[in-house]
Amino acid sequence: EAQVTQNPRYLITVTGKKLTVTCSQNMNHEYMSWYRQDPGLGLRQIYYSMNVEVTDKGDVPEGYKVSRKEKRNFPLILESPSPNQTSLYFCASSLSGTPYNEQFFGPGTRLTVL
Amino acid sequence: AQKITQTQPGMFVQEKEAVTLDCTYDTSDPSYGLFWYKQPSSGEMIFLIYQGSYDQQNATEGRYSLNFQKARKSANLVISASQLGDSAMYFCAMRVPTGANNLFFGTGTRLTVIP
Repeated sequence: EAQVTQNPRYLITVTGKKLTVTCSQNMNHEYMSWYRQDPGLGLRQIYYSMNVEVTDKGDVPEGYKVSRKEKRNFPLILESPSPNQTSLYFCASSLSGTPYNEQFFGPGTRLTVL
Repeated sequence: AQKITQTQPGMFVQEKEAVTLDCTYDTSDPSYGLFWYKQPSSGEMIFLIYQGSYDQQNATEGRYSLNFQKARKSANLVISASQLGDSAMYFCAMRVPTGANNLFFGTGTRLTVIP
């Protein structure tokens, strides 16, 4: 089944404890992206990747890191999480970076930072 | 700058009736894609339908159709024969060929289907 998977689905952690949210897609998509969704603010892009070893900042990159060593994986790293990073996180992928491809979303990761 | 506007925070529809969710967009780029996503209470983001800026015909996917009026910059979603499972948040989104190629989302419309 073609899909985007994220792990973990739920995570409660404490301020400053490094964490990684994994994202993997099995559709051979070139483009991958991370979003966060917050009430009243909608979905905002954190980082994106046009292809392997090519990553760039989105609208809200502060406090996050990403890497794209393989085409299928695009992990999101929070080196020192803070409570303002409590949010619902989505990984998404699309065939390419053109406007004509839909982005498929993972199931979401609900992160709480205490 | 790109912008998506959804003016209906909430909508109610009777089961089996049709409903239209409004979306207007703004971009100066001639090439863009318009998308609708459904987010049920469980949280996942489900792709519903896509319309390209150069498409001549309105997109349809099963009970979903997109009423694309390019001159008015509107891309309304029509759901026919509403079902209880259609109750969810619906997001209109636009993708343009900027460097980020990200999706610009509207604020969403919460649809409630009444039995």
